[in-house]
Amino acid sequence: TQLLEQSPQFLSIQEGENLTVYCNSSSVFSSLQWYRQEPGEGPVLLVTVVTGGEVKKLKRLTFQFGDARKDSSLHITAAQPGDTGLYLCAGASSGTYKYIFGTGTRLKVLA
Amino acid sequence: DVKVTQSSRYLVKRTGEKVFLECVQDMDHENMFWYRQDPGLGLRLIYFSYDVKMKEKGDIPEGYSVSREKKERFSLILESASTNQTSMYLCASSLWSGSSGRSPHEQFFGPGTRLTVL
Repeated sequence: TQLLEQSPQFLSIQEGENLTVYCNSSSVFSSLQWYRQEPGEGPVLLVTVVTGGEVKKLKRLTFQFGDARKDSSLHITAAQPGDTGLYLCAGASSGTYKYIFGTGTRLKVLA
Repeated sequence: DVKVTQSSRYLVKRTGEKVFLECVQDMDHENMFWYRQDPGLGLRLIYFSYDVKMKEKGDIPEGYSVSREKKERFSLILESASTNQTSMYLCASSLWSGSSGRSPHEQFFGPGTRLTVL
């Protein structure tokens, strides 16, 4: 069974701090996605990475796919209260419909 | 603006009741999914449908069934609700990536239905 473990599970930081969230698996994925979910809403896609070693930036968020395509990280620079939410990674294999979701990291940024 | 809507945001049912959760998407997507979300467990796939009247079991189908009579509508049915089915239920849809070897497309999620079974 494919599993995606995220760490940390919870994170509470002050506005302006930097943070990194990790998503790890023993399985290889052809693509990996990061979603953010706010209270009372469904997850919303932030980014998709498909190439080993790929780095993508979305304003203050930097996403990296591991060289072996088994892990990924999300780095937030100068966190803001608007970054508060549940961050989920999801891995998929090519030719399949199925996404494997990680266990989630709940981030709270205090003003 | 793309939309996935779910029939209820909150639902309270009693043990043994039959429960219907409805999901509608307006994006003409082939794929539709039902997940349940529990703290510390992430999202777990219950059922998936890639076409009208087609369905496949996900990771945790026991105690659930689904129906897809129209492309835009995907229903989740709890035949006899139990307390361990208390959870957040999320519906999602996506384009079909086919068998071309491409990775699956982005999923669009509804706002979720929080179901409590007493």
